[in-house]
Amino acid sequence: DGGITQSPKYLFRKEGQNVTLSCEQNLNHDAMYWYRQDPGQGLRLIYYSQIVNDFQKGDIAEGYSVSREKKESFPLTVTSAQKNPTAFYLCASSESGLRSGELFFGEGSRLTVL
Amino acid sequence: QKEVEQNSGPLSVPEGAIASLNCTYSDRVSQSFFWYRQYSGKSPELIMSIYSNGDKEDGRFTAQLNKASQYVSLLIRDSQPSDSATYLCAVNKENYGQNFVFGPGTRLSVLP
Repeated sequence: DGGITQSPKYLFRKEGQNVTLSCEQNLNHDAMYWYRQDPGQGLRLIYYSQIVNDFQKGDIAEGYSVSREKKESFPLTVTSAQKNPTAFYLCASSESGLRSGELFFGEGSRLTVL
Repeated sequence: QKEVEQNSGPLSVPEGAIASLNCTYSDRVSQSFFWYRQYSGKSPELIMSIYSNGDKEDGRFTAQLNKASQYVSLLIRDSQPSDSATYLCAVNKENYGQNFVFGPGTRLSVLP
């Protein structure tokens, strides 16, 4: 089955530690995204990538980093510089091109800082 | 002004009634519009997309778009308790290059 796989589903981190969230897709989509969701709030864009080896900052990129070395993979690193990292993180992908609007989401990774 | 606005709710409707969810957006260059449903603790799933002014129907769901008023709505007919979820309005500001902006979501509760 085609889809997006995020791991881990739950992650606990001590303050000062970097953590990396995995996102893999087998939909052959060019575009991939990372969103953050806080309780009772909508999705905020962290980073997105339209093509391999290229990515752009979203609205809340500070304290995060990404890479896009392969079309299928778009890992997100939450660094110690992110002041309030506890949140629900969602990876998504979409086709590129005109009116290719549907976002396909992974199941999410819930990060808690202890 | 936020780019995409929705009433946070909760919106409560009795089972079998019509639920009406509203969304306004600020950027006139927005090209495409989407409604996602998100159950508690789960990821969003697309239920409707609309690109042109007017109505688009899919089963019990109807999306309505009015670009002049910068307004998009979702009607759910014959609401069921399983429709209870948060509904996210999303706007794609570019036809190519993908810049999705989400509203805060409206929580819908369908009462048996």
